[in-house]
Amino acid sequence: NAGVMQNPRHLVRRRGQEARLRCSPMKGHSHVYWYRQLPEEGLKFMVYLQKENIIDESGMPKERFSAEFPKEGPSILRIQQVVRGDSAAYFCASSPPRREGDNEQFFGPGTRLTVL
Amino acid sequence: GQNIDQPTEMTATEGAIVQINCTYQTSGFNGLFWYQQHAGEAPTFLSYNVLDGLEEKGRFSSFLSRSKGYSYLLLKELQMKDSASYLCAPLILTGGGNKLTFGTGTQLKVEL
Repeated sequence: NAGVMQNPRHLVRRRGQEARLRCSPMKGHSHVYWYRQLPEEGLKFMVYLQKENIIDESGMPKERFSAEFPKEGPSILRIQQVVRGDSAAYFCASSPPRREGDNEQFFGPGTRLTVL
Repeated sequence: GQNIDQPTEMTATEGAIVQINCTYQTSGFNGLFWYQQHAGEAPTFLSYNVLDGLEEKGRFSSFLSRSKGYSYLLLKELQMKDSASYLCAPLILTGGGNKLTFGTGTQLKVEL
C-alpha cells in the first residue's frame, strides 16, 4: 500500500532549463495538490487537480509554471526557464474522493529543486 | 484573504507539556489540520478538527473554536523526537473541493 510517490527526490537545473516534477497519488486517490516550500518558509498552496481537470490554480505563478494530471500516469508540475528563485522543496499531496469528514491530505516526500 | 498566526519558535523540556496556539482568519473554513514536519522531510498528519472541542490522540490533543478562529495543539510527555516544526493548516472550501492553507509553522525545540 504505497504512499504518495514523488520523483525525482532531488533535481538540479541550470538557469533557463526546464524542470519536470512527478507525483503519483496514493491508490484510490483522485485529488492531487502541489505545494511549494521556500527555504525557512511555510508551505504555500500552488494548484489543486483532479483527473484531467485543474480545480484551483490560484497559487500558481502566472508565467513559466504549469500542472497537469492526465487520465493515465502521474501528475506533472512543469517549470519552464527556471530561475534561482524557483529553488525550493515541492510537495505533492493526495486525498480520496471527497466525502464528509474525510479531507486528510497525504504528503509525498517532496522534490528538492536547486537552480544553479 | 487568508491569515494564519502561530508563534515562530518555542522551547520546552523533555517530559513536559507544551501548547502551540494558532489563530486564523479565513473564508470558506472547513476544518483545521495540524501537521508535524521534521527538517528536510514531508509533513505528517497529526490531527483534524472540524467541530468545536478537543480531539485526543495519544500524547497529542487538538482543540478548535470556530467562533473565535482559534486552535491549539497540546503535546504531553515531550520527547526529544518531538523537536520539529508544527504546522497549523485551515482547510478552505474551494470550487469543487478543498485546499490547505498553511501558517509558517512553529519550530519546537525539546531540551533535556
